[in-house]
Amino acid sequence: NAGVTQTPKFQVLKTGQSMTLQCAQDMNHNSMYWYRQDPGMGLRLIYYSASEGTTDKGEVPNGYNVSRLNKREFSLRLESAAPSQTSVYFCASSANREETQYFGPGTRLLVL
Amino acid sequence: ILNVEQSPQSLHVQEGDSTNFTCSFPSSNFYALHWYRWETAKSPEALFVMTLNGDEKKKGRISATLNTKEGYSYLYIKGSQPEDSATYLCAFSDFQKLVFGTGTRLLVSP
Repeated sequence: NAGVTQTPKFQVLKTGQSMTLQCAQDMNHNSMYWYRQDPGMGLRLIYYSASEGTTDKGEVPNGYNVSRLNKREFSLRLESAAPSQTSVYFCASSANREETQYFGPGTRLLVL
Repeated sequence: ILNVEQSPQSLHVQEGDSTNFTCSFPSSNFYALHWYRWETAKSPEALFVMTLNGDEKKKGRISATLNTKEGYSYLYIKGSQPEDSATYLCAFSDFQKLVFGTGTRLLVSP
């Protein structure tokens, strides 16, 4: 039982490059989330998907897009990476939005 | 906008000390209060979920209490150990979403 998995674990990008962060869960959860974690800022919600087929903006959505590919998978895309997007990105899932969230191991992204 | 506040922001104690942190949240539309433990270079892990006013949860040396009427929860660690060093997050859920506080960073020195 893998829980929540994320790929890649680490990525270096140049400013302006694009990339997609992948997330998958095997717990049959309805809701999935993308957070970023920056020093002194805690967890900040980028986008979430309350259920398959829906996505909504969180606290810091600018510069990102998401796709809820199916119930298992939720991807985060950076269309044109900027140094301000250097961060650790966590994917999480929960049965429903008000329930306990389970986190993936994180993706460390460095934008030069 | 839901405001979930934690205090203190950080805490440095000696091994063997007991300590506690506070999480403040809105007292209306309460559904549940969650505590997470987040070790450096790892991902947050759920510790407790509390749903009823007066709830108390315990896991080893860590315990938590809940007061939904006044909108606060306490997390206690008895006899802190270096391996307790982590950031402790609380998260409040109403009937629609879960909102995280910014956490209390605990450092326990040997």
